[in-house]
Parts: sequence; C-alpha cells; structure tokens
Amino acid sequence: QKEVEQDPGPLSVPEGAIVSLNCTYSNSAFQYFMWYRQYSRKGPELLMYTYSSGNKEDGRFTAQVDKSSKYISLFIRDSQPSDSATYLCAMSVGSNYQLIWGAGTKLIIKP
Amino acid sequence: DARVTQTPRHKVTEMGQEVTMRCQPILGHNTVFWYRQTMMQGLELLAYFRNRAPLDDSGMPKDRFSAEMPDATLATLKIQPSEPRDSAVYFCASGLVNEETQYFGPGTRLLVL
Repeated sequence: QKEVEQDPGPLSVPEGAIVSLNCTYSNSAFQYFMWYRQYSRKGPELLMYTYSSGNKEDGRFTAQVDKSSKYISLFIRDSQPSDSATYLCAMSVGSNYQLIWGAGTKLIIKP
Repeated sequence: DARVTQTPRHKVTEMGQEVTMRCQPILGHNTVFWYRQTMMQGLELLAYFRNRAPLDDSGMPKDRFSAEMPDATLATLKIQPSEPRDSAVYFCASGLVNEETQYFGPGTRLLVL
C-alpha cells in the first residue's frame, strides 16, 4: 500500500460545477500538505499549501485537511475549462524532509 | 520572472547512448530535486541536493544514473548507458531549505529507442 493514495481519474465534470479532489494517507506524522496543478506537457506548479489541519481558501480553491481521518481535499468552485489539468497532492512530515506524492487526478472540465 | 530552466526539452536517443540533462535552479535556491514521471509510476524522486551536497539518491539506479551539482547554478543528471525503460519526463525542481514548496522546471522529455 502506498503512503499516499489518490484516484487517477479521469474526473469529468461540466463547467460551473463544484469539483472535489481527494487524497488519503497512512503516515500520521505528515504535517505539511500541498496541492500541485500540472497542465499537459508542463511541470507541476504549487496551487495550495496547508500546515496541519484546517481549511485554506484562495479564490475559487479551498484546501481542507482532516488529520483524524488522514484525508485531504481540494475543492474548486465555479469550475472552468482552464482548470482542466492533473492535480497532485503532496505531503511531508516537516521541512527538510522529502515530499511524498500522490499519483495525480486528471480533471476534465467540459464547456 | 524567476523560474527553473531545463535543457534539452526533448531528447531522442538510441539504447546504449549517454544522456545528459541539465537544470538551472532559481537563483538563491539551495535545494534541488530530480524527478522522473511516467504514466505507470507517477512522480518518482531520483535525487535530492541541499547546498550542492547529495542528500538522497536512493531512488536512482546507481549502475547507470548519476547526479551532480558542479556549482550552485547547475545540476546535471546523466544516464549511461540509456535503456528504453528510461523513457520518461525528467523534472528538476528547486526550493529553499526549511521551506516545503518546490518549484518545477518544464521537464526533459526523453525517448530511448
């Protein structure tokens, strides 16, 4: 079993829908949680960063961490075709430690 | 606009040939990571440097892969000899010690025939 599990999708939703992307993990020591977005034929770019539990909001994006359930989510409101990409979760036990990556979920927003 | 640069962007080579990939981290960044991405395995960490010193290269096949940082502005990843199973996209990322964020380059797309 991998340390970080993420459904590879693809997840296809109509434009304007709310999207929920999720990762589960097994290491309770993880403290730092990130979401990266990767467009086709590009490198991943940081989208959201959360330390420990709780929610963080940035525009249409909300990152949520539930450490008791070892579950993190990324919500996208009012989804746009430009949100079509692969979303990778990544997490770490602390600074100076490696990021552990999910497999990535391919998201398709249909106009 | 600070960004990680990688060369070449694309490389097609024949099995057995040497491949060298280069990365210029963001100026001032003191951590460098080499990743390999494939459809089957996703993103795999190959090597990790901090202040130019290799900290972890356990993800790298030692018999054919080598990673170095000759100076703070250049990181290299070499494959010798290359094999078809090495075909993948190789990403370099850089960051700062005590910060978790990694900034990725555009990748080198390698095809070994």
